[in-house]
Amino acid sequence: NAGVMQNPRHLVRRRGQEARLRCSPMKGHSHVYWYRQLPEEGLKFMVYLQKENIIDESGMPKERFSAEFPKEGPSILRIQQVVRGDSAAYFCASSPWGQVVSYEQYFGPGTRLTVT
Amino acid sequence: DQQVKQNSPSLSVQEGRISILNCDYTNSMFDYFLWYKKYPAEGPTFLISISSIKDKNEDGRFTVFLNKSAKHLSLHIVPSQPGDSAVYFCIAGGTSYGKLTFGQGTILTVHP
Repeated sequence: NAGVMQNPRHLVRRRGQEARLRCSPMKGHSHVYWYRQLPEEGLKFMVYLQKENIIDESGMPKERFSAEFPKEGPSILRIQQVVRGDSAAYFCASSPWGQVVSYEQYFGPGTRLTVT
Repeated sequence: DQQVKQNSPSLSVQEGRISILNCDYTNSMFDYFLWYKKYPAEGPTFLISISSIKDKNEDGRFTVFLNKSAKHLSLHIVPSQPGDSAVYFCIAGGTSYGKLTFGQGTILTVHP
């Protein structure tokens, strides 16, 4: 059973370009979460999605950032017109349907975005 | 506004001794706490958790203690092993379904 997959692992973008980060959850998981880790900080929650629905986007910056989890295919975190401050590690996590018993989430290896 | 705080950025311990990692939180709405471990270039992995209705949970060498009145929890690793060297995150849940709040992390180094 493959774990959470993220690609690319490393992404370099120039200021003003778009960044697309992909996340394939574990098999059977229908809940996806995105987190961002800035240097010297812990992971910060960005958004929680289920298939075709955004459940909680309270951690998403109001502009330039969007996320989706379509019926088919991976979840996508999109950052438009990237700026240097977007440079960070972006982690995706997933959990099984009915996350009632525990809050445990399974994390991917992350995508390190560098904006030059 | 750091709702989960790990005030020790790093901890160094000798192999075989006890490692104690501490964590404080400010939001009384948190009702579930987790510890995750993270190696370089990998995502965090689940270690142990505790519900707010308990004050202790044990799993092998790992024990988590929760003091709700003090809003404090700690992770004990005994005996510590070199393979335990990693970044440890204290994490809280319960304020919003699916949302986890991370502490800044503590780098644990276990020396042989």
